Amino acid sequence: SQELEQSPQSLIVQEGKNLTINCTSSKTLYGLYWYKQKYGEGLIFLMMLQKGGEEKSHEKITAKLDEKKQQSSLHITASQPSHAGIYLCGADPGPIQGAQKLVFGQGTRLTINP
Amino acid sequence: DVKVTQSSRYLVKRTGEKVFLECVQDMDHENMFWYRQDPGLGLRLIYFSYDVKMKEKGDIPEGYSVSREKKERFSLILESASTNQTSMYLCASSLRTDKKNIQYFGAGTRLSVL
Repeated sequence: SQELEQSPQSLIVQEGKNLTINCTSSKTLYGLYWYKQKYGEGLIFLMMLQKGGEEKSHEKITAKLDEKKQQSSLHITASQPSHAGIYLCGADPGPIQGAQKLVFGQGTRLTINP
Repeated sequence: DVKVTQSSRYLVKRTGEKVFLECVQDMDHENMFWYRQDPGLGLRLIYFSYDVKMKEKGDIPEGYSVSREKKERFSLILESASTNQTSMYLCASSLRTDKKNIQYFGAGTRLSVL
């Protein structure tokens, strides 16, 4: 079965600094999804990547999928307090295995210090 | 916008009680999911449904059952609540025919079993 490992597990950065969160898959990714979760709340969809080498941006958040489709990174530029929360990556294991389920990483807890 | 609504944000129940967690989505999605989220364990799939009256076990179905009598509503049932079912429960839905396979989440229900 597919497994996702996120690193780091937690991250504390000074406001205004850049940061990167990584998500590594044990198998080739059919689709990779990034979500953000505010403490004690549900997950909010950020971005989805499907093609090797693909890169997407939304405001100050950029997500990339490597050419081999086994690793993704989420980069935040000039972090703000509103970026604080838990970031989770999710993987689509593909139509053969999937029945459209997603497998999630354990999450990265991001704290922004003013 | 997709809206997934969970009936309660917080619930406190006693051991042995029968507990119902309700989830409603307003986007005519075929797929619906129930997860639980625990520190260090991430998001784990309990049950999912890809059509009315259809259900499939996820990774941790023991102690739970589900009901999908109408397309928009997916209920999670704890037949006899136990303290180890204290957790954050998240409901999600997705469009079955959508190749993007994006899941949309509710705000979560934090259940405490005493």
